[in-house]
Amino acid sequence: DQQVKQNSPSLSVQEGRISILNCDYTNSMFDYFLWYKKYPAEGPTFLISISSIKDKNEDGRFTVFLNKSAKHLSLHIVPSQPGDSAVYFCAASVTNSGYALNFGKGTSLLVTP
Amino acid sequence: EAGVVQSPRYKIIEKKQPVAFWCNPISGHNTLYWYLQNLGQGPELLIRYENEEAVDDSQLPKDRFSAERLKGVDSTLKIQPAELGDSAVYLCASSFGGSIDTQYFGPGTRLTVL
Repeated sequence: DQQVKQNSPSLSVQEGRISILNCDYTNSMFDYFLWYKKYPAEGPTFLISISSIKDKNEDGRFTVFLNKSAKHLSLHIVPSQPGDSAVYFCAASVTNSGYALNFGKGTSLLVTP
Repeated sequence: EAGVVQSPRYKIIEKKQPVAFWCNPISGHNTLYWYLQNLGQGPELLIRYENEEAVDDSQLPKDRFSAERLKGVDSTLKIQPAELGDSAVYLCASSFGGSIDTQYFGPGTRLTVL
């Protein structure tokens, strides 16, 4: 049973434009959310996170928005760069369970020049 | 600071053979995780260690999989015997537990079972 869902397997965006990656979750116990970025033949790399007490967290070009009532979060990348081309995984955790991460299937982002 | 180290990076074996993967976490990280990533899927937790204790192994198929973390540092994940369906990437991650923190992943071991 997939508790974290990324319904778009792929996304293509032009350089300089905004990339929006979406993620939905079903478990209302999740209270910490993360985005990881993965290049081929490498492990996932932490990108940005958000606690359930917030609805927005920003780090440079990356902003994560959390809508708890809709059980939805999104990652905005502005402006998108070719180096952002990678697979992005959404992950969720229950913080009093040892932070074991539940991952979505990932969205492959391609930023074209 | 050195990252999470895993070896081997790639392994090809025939079914029914044993295989082992090794992980060296980031220095000082007391929590270690093993994840399985099938093609087109996100990583799935197999086992989590707090120091040398396996505190969550509910997703580890114990009939053929085993893991150990001697002295609370390095860890080994073993499969015996391997099956065709075990072909996947095995990821190791570590974190400094006790507070909300991120997990740092190694590059993974890609296993192919023929």
